[in-house]
Amino acid sequence: AQSVTQPDIHITVSEGASLELRCNYSYGATPYLFWYVQSPGQGLQLLLKYFSGDTLVQGIKGFEAEFKRSQSSFNLRKPSVHWSDAAEYFCAVGANTGGFKTIFGAGTRLFVKA
Amino acid sequence: KAGVTQTPRYLIKTRGQQVTLSCSPISGHRSVSWYQQTPGQGLQFLFEYFSETQRNKGNFPGRFSGRQFSNSRSEMNVSTLELGDSALYLCASSSDRGRRFFGPGTRLTVL
Repeated sequence: AQSVTQPDIHITVSEGASLELRCNYSYGATPYLFWYVQSPGQGLQLLLKYFSGDTLVQGIKGFEAEFKRSQSSFNLRKPSVHWSDAAEYFCAVGANTGGFKTIFGAGTRLFVKA
Repeated sequence: KAGVTQTPRYLIKTRGQQVTLSCSPISGHRSVSWYQQTPGQGLQFLFEYFSETQRNKGNFPGRFSGRQFSNSRSEMNVSTLELGDSALYLCASSSDRGRRFFGPGTRLTVL
């Protein structure tokens, strides 16, 4: 069965510091992988996605993620965090099982301190 | 292009009642998916509709149902509401596989 694990429930970083959010997935084939961000009171916004090709994916708002097949990981990174990045981040895997559905991780809440 | 819209944004119901939530996808999108988000369970997939047909379904009881109209608008219905149904219900539309655009959600509170 497909699954997504985000091991960190919450992370606190200082403004200007680098960020890495971890994501591990379980899926039999090459997955479609996504990172979404949800700000308080908002819906989900797609940050970036990986379908195939270059394993380092650039997204919006200065985020990037790297697909590592050997580690079944798709970690999200940002070199310098801004206070406005405080939000909840969801990693997701797209599974094509008789119809396409997206399975989400439990989310990681990011706190940014001044 | 207008984004995904969901109505109502907030809803309060009592146990045993039923509720209908509405989602209007981005113009041209034919796929609509529904998700339930709760603090305890996170984000869970409910179902997906494509061209008026349910294409995929998550592990929710039969009290949760949905439909899609010819204009791609979708409704989700929950009957015999339980306290545990209190959640944020998100709708997402897509034109191609995987790239989903989410609406702001409907916050349902069951008392």
